[in-house]
Amino acid sequence: AQSVTQPDIHITVSEGASLELRCNYSYGATPYLFWYVQSPGQGLQLLLKYFSGDTLVQGIKGFEAEFKRSQSSFNLRKPSVHWSDAAEYFCAVGPSNDYKLSFGAGTTVTVRA
Amino acid sequence: DAGVTQSPTHLIKTRGQQVTLRCSPKSGHDTVSWYQQALGQGPQFIFQYYEEEERQRGNFPDRFSGHQFPNYSSELNVNALLLGDSALYLCASSPGVRQETQYFGPGTRLLVL
Repeated sequence: AQSVTQPDIHITVSEGASLELRCNYSYGATPYLFWYVQSPGQGLQLLLKYFSGDTLVQGIKGFEAEFKRSQSSFNLRKPSVHWSDAAEYFCAVGPSNDYKLSFGAGTTVTVRA
Repeated sequence: DAGVTQSPTHLIKTRGQQVTLRCSPKSGHDTVSWYQQALGQGPQFIFQYYEEEERQRGNFPDRFSGHQFPNYSSELNVNALLLGDSALYLCASSPGVRQETQYFGPGTRLLVL
């Protein structure tokens, strides 16, 4: 069975500071990995995805993530956070042959001025 | 190009009633998946439709059923509503049945009283 753990429920970061959100997954084969962002009252927007190849993945809004197979991790990073990055972030894992995604419980990011 | 659309945006029902939620996929997408997102949690996979058939199902009771129409739009039906069915219901669309990026709609927020 596939599962995702996001250890941090809530992170507060100052505007302009760096951000790292942790994601650990459990999956029997090479997973497809995703990061989504959800603003209040909104649906999910895809930030980036990893299917194969280069383990450092670039996404939208200046985000990047690194796949580390040995650590079963797919952590999300941003060098300099903007106030508009305040939102909830979800890591998800899925198999290659269907669309059933398993999501983590999410990490809420608060940005202080 | 319209993205994934869902209707209604909000809905209030009472226990025991039935509800139907609707989803129109992104243009060019023929696969629709439904997710339930309870407050403070990550989305949970309900089921997926492709070629008007349910292809995969998550751990949800038979009270949850769906349908896909020839134009690829989809409905989610929930019978005998329980208080615990209160959640944000998200629809996601994607092309084909293999793992590709899923695009999510804004969701329907259901409140069961």
